[in-house]
Amino acid sequence: QKEVEQNSGPLSVPEGAIASLNCTYSDRGSQSFFWYRQYSGKSPELIMFIYSNGDKEDGRFTAQLNKASQYVSLLIRDSQPSDSATYLCAVNRESNTDKLIFGTGTRLQVFP
Amino acid sequence: DVKVTQSSRYLVKRTGEKVFLECVQDMDHENMFWYRQDPGLGLRLIYFSYDVKMKEKGDIPEGYSVSREKKERFSLILESASTNQTSMYLCASSYHLRGMNTEAFFGQGTRLTVV
Repeated sequence: QKEVEQNSGPLSVPEGAIASLNCTYSDRGSQSFFWYRQYSGKSPELIMFIYSNGDKEDGRFTAQLNKASQYVSLLIRDSQPSDSATYLCAVNRESNTDKLIFGTGTRLQVFP
Repeated sequence: DVKVTQSSRYLVKRTGEKVFLECVQDMDHENMFWYRQDPGLGLRLIYFSYDVKMKEKGDIPEGYSVSREKKERFSLILESASTNQTSMYLCASSYHLRGMNTEAFFGQGTRLTVV
């Protein structure tokens, strides 16, 4: 089992719809969870981070964390074509380290 | 603005050469990372450093070494470059916050081609 798993996609959604991206992780000791967006040919940039169980909202983005089930998700409301990118889930490997491990990413396509 | 700067955007090296990739950050971050990114494999951690002269192996350290003599600089060394090390290399840094990761800032990447 991979440490951080994501469906590679592509996930295709129409403009204005909700895009739902999911990520599962294997280390129960993980405490920090991040979503990065990466446009083609560019470096990853942070969208959101979440440390506690539950939901965290920031504009059109909502991160959801369920430590018992070991998954973290990202919802993008009112999806725009400019949201088309690869979304990377990242998790710290162990509870006592800052070592950051990434999933392979989910490619999102938002069509007009 | 946090800046993570990688010394080269594109690099072409010959098989067997010793290659140095340099990364500098200007935010006094404790943590620095080297990843490589390949299609379908995502970002894979090569080495991680949490302080000057301190390093930990990541998932794919074979064929690589690192050096962190100063807090702001983290170098990745390919001891003897091989064609399977052709990849995009990304450096990142973050600060330590009492056991919690914080945002990692990435450099612009170095696309290395080994011929």
